[in-house]
Amino acid sequence: DTAVSQTPKYLVTQMGNDKSIKCEQNLGHDTMYWYKQDSKKFLKIMFSYNNKELIINETVPNRFSPKSPDKAHLNLHINSLELGDSAVYFCASSHYADATNEKLFFGSGTQLSVL
Amino acid sequence: TQLLEQSPQFLSIQEGENLTVYCNSSSVFSSLQWYRQEPGEGPVLLVTVVTGGEVKKLKRLTFQFGDARKDSSLHITAAQPGDTGLYLCAVKTSYDKVIFGPGTSLSVIP
Repeated sequence: DTAVSQTPKYLVTQMGNDKSIKCEQNLGHDTMYWYKQDSKKFLKIMFSYNNKELIINETVPNRFSPKSPDKAHLNLHINSLELGDSAVYFCASSHYADATNEKLFFGSGTQLSVL
Repeated sequence: TQLLEQSPQFLSIQEGENLTVYCNSSSVFSSLQWYRQEPGEGPVLLVTVVTGGEVKKLKRLTFQFGDARKDSSLHITAAQPGDTGLYLCAVKTSYDKVIFGPGTSLSVIP
């Protein structure tokens, strides 16, 4: 069973469209994240949710709106897609109480291509 | 300015060679992690180091945390093609964010 699963794996869309990426974890973790990996492979945090509450929002454009219906799900909705949004988006989860030894479990990524 | 620097950025070696990659910062951390990311997959945690000077071994991989807890190294002995991937160091900041370095992309040629 996949611990952190995100769909779709690939997403190709036109500029200006609205799209969503879904993420689910079956690890019983209480914290979930979205990271963006650019073409240079730099992995940058976007959002973090703990028990469905937003705790980190890294100056991401408000076209990006995360939604956490429950602790096991964190979806990412993107409005008015721009060329610069093309990247690989990773969902991750962790058990927050692990403090400094927090171990992140990542999904396999969603490659978003905006044409 | 990035919190973490990694070197080298790219490394291509022959199977059987040894290599060392580095993660450096001017900040002190309570712990540091190393992840490996294979093509088309998400990063996977390899190790967490906590104590200054700590050395951890994972088969042919040796991880060391600097005495001052500002830097770390990863040494691979007798590299194999299966070691190919992007090696990322990561730390947790005081704002509870897990921040990654820019990575070292390793290619081991058979």
